[in-house]
Amino acid sequence: DADVTQTPRNRITKTGKRIMLECSQTKGHDRMYWYRQDPGLGLRLIYYSFDVKDINKGEISDGYSVSRQAQAKFSLSLESAIPNQTALYFCATSDPDGPPETQYFGPGTRLLVL
Amino acid sequence: QKEVEQNSGPLSVPEGAIASLNCTYSDRGSQSFFWYRQYSGKSPELIMSIYSNGDKEDGRFTAQLNKASQYVSLLIRDSQPSDSATYLCASNNAGNMLTFGGGTRLMVKP
Repeated sequence: DADVTQTPRNRITKTGKRIMLECSQTKGHDRMYWYRQDPGLGLRLIYYSFDVKDINKGEISDGYSVSRQAQAKFSLSLESAIPNQTALYFCATSDPDGPPETQYFGPGTRLLVL
Repeated sequence: QKEVEQNSGPLSVPEGAIASLNCTYSDRGSQSFFWYRQYSGKSPELIMSIYSNGDKEDGRFTAQLNKASQYVSLLIRDSQPSDSATYLCASNNAGNMLTFGGGTRLMVKP
């Protein structure tokens, strides 16, 4: 089984809809991250969480919210989806006892907002 | 201005050649640098990290860091078609978070 899983893998939605992307991990890591990837722009950090009670905004948090339901689960919500949120979304985890740069990525969720 | 810059490519090299991927960064406070490989439609995978000036070798991969010039590179020797992917350069920043460049697409032709 994969260590970091994301659901759904693909999603098509309409402008104005609220949607949730879910991430689960079995690595036992406290640190979790949400990124979005657009062509030519690399990965940009949306939100991150260093433990269940810790939530922090990243570079591009506007229009997004997150919930850390448990150590293993970190969800990303788009409150009212808009077309420029069409992107590939990745969840990642890292080990607090290791270098933070060793991030383990999920398979990604491809989101299309019409 | 993006903090980590890469040429988007594509960089095309023949099989067996050396592929040279380059990256510049603007934050002089960055201490650690990383190369991730991302196959089309897949998630990024860490392949190299480098923390001090000079070269670091791992198999066919060599990472090079020059902090004075704020320049990081990745050399891939004996390039194989399976090396065809997008290579993302990343640096750590304040708060020890990663900042990624836009990636360079490498194509290795048989």
